[in-house]
Amino acid sequence: EIVMTQSPATLSVSPGERATLSCRASQSVNNNLAWYQQKPGQAPRLLIYGASTRATGIPARFSGSGSGTEFTLTISSLQSEDFAVYYCQQYNNWLPFFGPGTKVNIK
Amino acid sequence: QVQLQQWGAGLLKPSETLALTCIVDGGSLSDSYWAWIRQPPGKGLEWIGEINHSGSTNDNPSLKRRVTMSVDTSKNQFSLKLTSVTAADTAVYYCARGLRFGGGWFDPWGPGTLVTVSS
Repeated sequence: EIVMTQSPATLSVSPGERATLSCRASQSVNNNLAWYQQKPGQAPRLLIYGASTRATGIPARFSGSGSGTEFTLTISSLQSEDFAVYYCQQYNNWLPFFGPGTKVNIK
Repeated sequence: QVQLQQWGAGLLKPSETLALTCIVDGGSLSDSYWAWIRQPPGKGLEWIGEINHSGSTNDNPSLKRRVTMSVDTSKNQFSLKLTSVTAADTAVYYCARGLRFGGGWFDPWGPGTLVTVSS
């Protein structure tokens, strides 16, 4: 199985600032990586797939980069609605695995 | 625009069978693949398995073959059964559309059903 790790576990950011979230895979997943946002009491929402392609309706302030084992989700200017937990997910093989998540808090 | 709605029993006793159903609104079962994912309270996400419109499935080996999935194309819905549940199976269970069978991303997700296993 491919194990996913995310850092940091918690990130405190002021509104308007940039947030950079990292995701690492235990072996190469090529560009087969997705990012999701989850707010309390809600289902996860797809943000990014293919490591860097924004899903339909996702604002341009969200961007993804990376390939192989190292990936980054950047939120260029945090809005109040962006404070949430963010998960990465690899789908390079038939057994999808999610990372443990990064919680983005208001500083 | 595809939307998912789901339902099923929310409180089970140990050794019982969990049963959930998800209905696809605004799309067809034959257009995509359909997955189940769960999230224990306060924890991360675990993929349970997936099914396509013809009934082919993949499931997570960690669940030790307790999973059965099915589709009903006439009702545009798919279902999950998980046998011999224990407290460790307490979680919010989500249905979701998968964008690639045998490894893909998920969009959209259903609202989730909290299933609690307690004696």
